[in-house]
Amino acid sequence: AQSVSQHNHHVILSEAASLELGCNYSYGGTVNLFWYVQYPGQHLQLLLKYFSGDPLVKGIKGFEAEFIKSKFSFNLRKPSVQWSDTAEYFCAVNNAGNMLTFGGGTRLMVKP
Amino acid sequence: DGGITQSPKYLFRKEGQNVTLSCEQNLNHDAMYWYRQDPGQGLRLIYYSQIVNDFQKGDIAEGYSVSREKKESFPLTVTSAQKNPTAFYLCASSSPSAYNEQFFGPGTRLTVL
Repeated sequence: AQSVSQHNHHVILSEAASLELGCNYSYGGTVNLFWYVQYPGQHLQLLLKYFSGDPLVKGIKGFEAEFIKSKFSFNLRKPSVQWSDTAEYFCAVNNAGNMLTFGGGTRLMVKP
Repeated sequence: DGGITQSPKYLFRKEGQNVTLSCEQNLNHDAMYWYRQDPGQGLRLIYYSQIVNDFQKGDIAEGYSVSREKKESFPLTVTSAQKNPTAFYLCASSSPSAYNEQFFGPGTRLTVL
């Protein structure tokens, strides 16, 4: 069965620090990849997605992610975080049909 | 505004009682999903439905039931058979034309007393 691993469960950064959250998946075929974000008290919302083409995808609020097929990875990055980026981040993978498999999530806290 | 609504936001239940969580969408999506979110475990799929009057079990369906009588609605019943029902429940929907990107509701937090 498909599995998705997010190795960082909790991350604490100061404002202006750079962010990289890891995501690895197990399926070796064609995949669609997503990062979702859940701000405190808000809906889970899509941050960015990869379907095909350029492996470096840009999302909302200055986030980007790079798909590295050989490493089965889709890491999320942001050059300079803000206090408002405090949230929980979820990586998800879709390889067949409509199903998404989610990672366990990473809680990011940005100190002002 | 198009979107997904879930009600209620908070729900309290006594042990041994069944409870039904509501999910409605006006996005005209064919597929709908129920997830359970627990700390450190991400989102786990309970049930999904790709079309009206049809639904399939997800990874953790035991103790739950669903119905899909209308395209817009996908209620989830948490039965007394669910051993650990206290959790945050999220409903989502998707359209195949959007590469199956899923849109989520605000969630219902269920607490069993």
